[in-house]
Amino acid sequence: QQQVRQSPQSLTVWEGETAILNCSYEDSTFNYFPWYQQFPGEGPALLISIRSVSDKKEDGRFTIFFNKREKKLSLHITDSQPGDSATYFCAASGDNTGKLTFGDGTVLTVKP
Amino acid sequence: GALVYQYPRRTICKSGTSMRMECQAVGFQATSVAWYRQSPQKTFELIALSTVNSAIKYEQNFTQEKFPISHPNLSFSSMTVLNAYLEDRGLYLCGARRHNYAEQFFGPGTRLTVL
Repeated sequence: QQQVRQSPQSLTVWEGETAILNCSYEDSTFNYFPWYQQFPGEGPALLISIRSVSDKKEDGRFTIFFNKREKKLSLHITDSQPGDSATYFCAASGDNTGKLTFGDGTVLTVKP
Repeated sequence: GALVYQYPRRTICKSGTSMRMECQAVGFQATSVAWYRQSPQKTFELIALSTVNSAIKYEQNFTQEKFPISHPNLSFSSMTVLNAYLEDRGLYLCGARRHNYAEQFFGPGTRLTVL
C-alpha cells in the first residue's frame, strides 16, 4: 500500500490562478511533511515544509494546509507563474533519521 | 546556504560494470546522507541512510554488496553501483541533512544509463 499519495497526477492552470496540489498519507507516525519542486534534469529542491503540530504554513505564494485527522495536506500556489511549471513532490517522515517517503508527484503546467 | 553537489551528473556504463558516484555538502555539516534512486517514471526509492559514526542502514531490496556506501566525514559521501544492469538505471540522488534538523537538501543527481 502506497504510504504517500498525490493528486492529481497532472494539473494545468493559467497564469495568475491558484494551483492546488493534494497529498494524503497512511502512516500516523509521520510528523514532518516537506514539499519538493523538481525541474527536468535537476534534483528536487525543498520548497516548503510543515510539521504535524501546525495546520498551516505560508511562505510567499506557497501555502500548506494540513489536516491531521484526515491525514491530508495540500499545497496552494497563488498567482501561479509559468516559471512554477515543474513536478511537485509531497514527502513524509516520521522520525529524525532523514528517511523520507515520497509521493509520485504532480506535474504542474502554468500557461501564460 | 546549504548546497549539495553530485558528481558525475551523467554516466554511461556497460552492463556488468561498476560506477562510483560522489556527493558533497557545502555550507553545512551533513551528519546524515540518504541515497535515493528516482526511476524514469519519477518514483523515489530509498536505497540507504548513512549517518556519520553509525552503521549504514539499507532498505529492503538494496544491499551493501550491490551499493557500497562510504561516508567518511561531514561533507562527503560516495556510493558505488556494482555490476550494473538495466534495472539499475535512473537518477541517483543524494539527500543531506544536519544533525537534529529535518530539512533534507538534495543534489542534482547522477543519471546512470546502462547499455
